[in-house]
Amino acid sequence: DVKVTQSSRYLVKRTGEKVFLECVQDMDHENMFWYRQDPGLGLRLIYFSYDVKMKEKGDIPEGYSVSREKKERFSLILESASTNQTSMYLCASSSGGGHEQYFGPGTRLTVT
Amino acid sequence: GQNIDQPTEMTATEGAIVQINCTYQTSGFNGLFWYQQHAGEAPTFLSYNVLDGLEEKGRFSSFLSRSKGYSYLLLKELQMKDSASYLCAVRPFPSSGGYQKVTFGTGTKLQVIP
Repeated sequence: DVKVTQSSRYLVKRTGEKVFLECVQDMDHENMFWYRQDPGLGLRLIYFSYDVKMKEKGDIPEGYSVSREKKERFSLILESASTNQTSMYLCASSSGGGHEQYFGPGTRLTVT
Repeated sequence: GQNIDQPTEMTATEGAIVQINCTYQTSGFNGLFWYQQHAGEAPTFLSYNVLDGLEEKGRFSSFLSRSKGYSYLLLKELQMKDSASYLCAVRPFPSSGGYQKVTFGTGTKLQVIP
């Protein structure tokens, strides 16, 4: 079974803090993704990576950066957290030739 | 870009059949996905259509018409556990900005009642 894990289920941070969200997959997938999910807006892609050290901006990259130093790990970084970044963050992975994405359980981030 | 429309909410009765529609306008198209997401959980893959027609998988079927920019997910013999959000998602051609990027609709929240 594919397993995608995220470092925290719930996280509370203060405005201006630097926040790291970690995602690890155990199926040797080439592609990894970070989304945020908000009521009425659905899942929106922040960044994705198709290989180690490779990344591509999604639809809403502003205020975020990513890092992929190892194939199995994809990190999302909020350089200076703001209240409008309060959201559910979902990580996903997929194989290079595959169709479906496998999602992690999500991290509910609250910025106060 | 991509624009995906699906109803916000639907209600159906246990044991019945329900059809959840999805329409899309895209600059390129290379497949349509349906995902199921129970409240508080991660989305899980249900189906993938790239050619026109109906794909059946147990109680769930998914239909695609590329010429009409239209898909539906059909759920038969509804069970209470089918209460969830159903997300339609479209993948563009590689030239449209990245083969693996997928755009999700806002989802249809299905409530199954006894």
